[in-house]
Amino acid sequence: GIQVEQSPPDLILQEGANSTLRCNFSDSVNNLQWFHQNPWGQLINLFYIPSGTKQNGRLSATTVATERYSLLYISSSQTTDSGVYFCAVGNIGSSGGSNYKLTFGKGTLLTVNP
Amino acid sequence: EAGVAQSPRYKIIEKRQSVAFWCNPISGHATLYWYQQILGQGPKLLIQFQNNGVVDDSQLPKDRFSAERLKGVDSTLKIQPAKLEDSAVYLCASSSLGPGDTQYFGPGTRLTVL
Repeated sequence: GIQVEQSPPDLILQEGANSTLRCNFSDSVNNLQWFHQNPWGQLINLFYIPSGTKQNGRLSATTVATERYSLLYISSSQTTDSGVYFCAVGNIGSSGGSNYKLTFGKGTLLTVNP
Repeated sequence: EAGVAQSPRYKIIEKRQSVAFWCNPISGHATLYWYQQILGQGPKLLIQFQNNGVVDDSQLPKDRFSAERLKGVDSTLKIQPAKLEDSAVYLCASSSLGPGDTQYFGPGTRLTVL
């Protein structure tokens, strides 16, 4: 199956700092999502981005599908950005059709200090 | 639009007991997923339904885990009998029918097996 590696595993920032999180994957994908898991465990969709660049407020993401990586940028970080950021990828399985399950990386634990 | 609903939010049982979790997906979403998230790891897919049919259950421990999605809407996941290593958060997600569609997650059920 697809392998997903995220880096760094842990990141500590001061409020206001910028950061870049990376996701490498081992095969071509037709689905890539970035999630934020808050301290209560809720997975919140940030981006659906199998290719290209998207921006949403202070967050932006870029996926270079041909080179099999994606980057999540957080600018002017706030304490509420703390939590675990997951990259998840999927592709249509060998059976084709609708078997496009997501494989998650191990996440990046982000701590933003005031 | 209401999100994915799950219940209960927390459950504590003793090993060898049985437990069941319930999920109601976003209205109109044909695809439903159950994931297991062990502490410190990313979610792992257990089973995927499309309408009321199973698409992928390759990582479901079928000797003790079972799941059903009657009428193609709500779903239940059951563990019988539970083991200590089943302690985890069980997440339900749903997506529209279509390759690589965005998955939306419920709040999860935190299971502790003593």
